[in-house]
Amino acid sequence: GAVVSQHPSWVICKSGTSVKIECRSLDFQATTMFWYRQFPKQSLMLMATSNEGSKATYEQGVEKDKFLINHASLTLSTLTVTSAHPEDSSFYICSARVAGGRNEQFFGPGTRLTVL
Amino acid sequence: GENVEQHPSTLSVQEGDSAVIKCTYSDSASNYFPWYKQELGKRPQLIIDIRSNVGEKKDQRIAVTLNKTAKHFSLHITETQPEDSAVYFCAASIRWPGSSASKIIFGSGTRLSIRP
Repeated sequence: GAVVSQHPSWVICKSGTSVKIECRSLDFQATTMFWYRQFPKQSLMLMATSNEGSKATYEQGVEKDKFLINHASLTLSTLTVTSAHPEDSSFYICSARVAGGRNEQFFGPGTRLTVL
Repeated sequence: GENVEQHPSTLSVQEGDSAVIKCTYSDSASNYFPWYKQELGKRPQLIIDIRSNVGEKKDQRIAVTLNKTAKHFSLHITETQPEDSAVYFCAASIRWPGSSASKIIFGSGTRLSIRP
């Protein structure tokens, strides 16, 4: 149980294009999902918290207009990197928390984004 | 602000010896402290967690201790094996002001190498 998937697992795009990453909880409902970014040899940095049916809460320094988050259902959150640039190249990982559950988060496998 | 400090950043131990990784946190309201193991290109895997009402928890070769007064928590791995080589992250739950909801903030990570 508690499986989280991400799609795509990797993507290569041209500078200036937008990329959408999906995060799904496969066997549980998640009122809250989290989006992290991880640069090589660095830690996971929380970008934003995605709440089903409401606006996402962004961490300080994360541009909400560049990283669009939509959490339209209890099993799906999407992150869209708009007008991607090479510096946005990173490993993006989502996690989900069981609705009504405790603090534990379940992580997706990650999406490696490369912007040329 | 919210902060989780982790050290050392790298650790090399002889196979069979013990490894200790230490973390400190800044938010006195933090009540959940997970530890993750991450292999290259993979998602973080929860290896053990502890809640603030407990001072110590053990699972086979892995143990975690928590000192709430000092805001310290540590991971102990005994009888280390080559497959323990990975990057380990501590983390702490951080509550939003005036809310019971929380997010998880990661430490900077420790690259553990086990020498045969």
